[in-house]
Amino acid sequence: QSALTQPASVSGSPGQSIAISCTGSSSDIGAYNYVSWYQHHPGKVPKLMISDVSNRPSGVSDRFSGSKSGNTASLTISGLQAEDEAEYYCMSYTTSSTYVFGSGTKVAVL
Amino acid sequence: EVQLVESGGGLVQPGGSLRLSCAASGFTFSNYWIHWVRQAPGKGLEWVSRIRYDGRITDYADSVKGRFAVSRDNAKNTVDVHMNSLRAEDTAVYYCARGVPDHYYVDLWGRGTLVTVSS
Repeated sequence: QSALTQPASVSGSPGQSIAISCTGSSSDIGAYNYVSWYQHHPGKVPKLMISDVSNRPSGVSDRFSGSKSGNTASLTISGLQAEDEAEYYCMSYTTSSTYVFGSGTKVAVL
Repeated sequence: EVQLVESGGGLVQPGGSLRLSCAASGFTFSNYWIHWVRQAPGKGLEWVSRIRYDGRITDYADSVKGRFAVSRDNAKNTVDVHMNSLRAEDTAVYYCARGVPDHYYVDLWGRGTLVTVSS
């Protein structure tokens, strides 16, 4: 199972909105609404930001939102803040009863 | 405190074996799936394996199928992964993570343990 495709990097100025795409196939993203997103700061533990495509766990800022269309999921960060600078990964359940992560996107706040 | 703690990492030669453990506390361990995820140096996250709350179902990534075996002891609140025929490309930080019942994501991660496969 190849990694889901994410842009290597996305950047924006404070206050701006950015979107990170995550492209898979009909065997993963397209098959189920089981896409989750994780924020990973270097040296720290990954943090769940979005579950089941668009659900935001308690405690996660409402600046983070998720969506899906066909085989592509997206994470949008609005009102970009310095603390949002991190690596972001999507993850999807697959038709093989396994999981696959995206390749990761480094978010830079200019 | 709700947490997962991995242990057992270290240096092992190619072809060797290693056992990692994940110890859980602060929640009802027997209700949750446990996943293993790894991150090779300078690379992204890679899903490795998962085990169902009762231990009866296990799934593996193709990259480790037939070489890794995961098990759990709900009386001790632990999950182990036995890694055999290790290769250089298995070098990574290995995280255990908690899978939410009836859902398909993980919501709690350990801090990870480093496995280095090298001669």
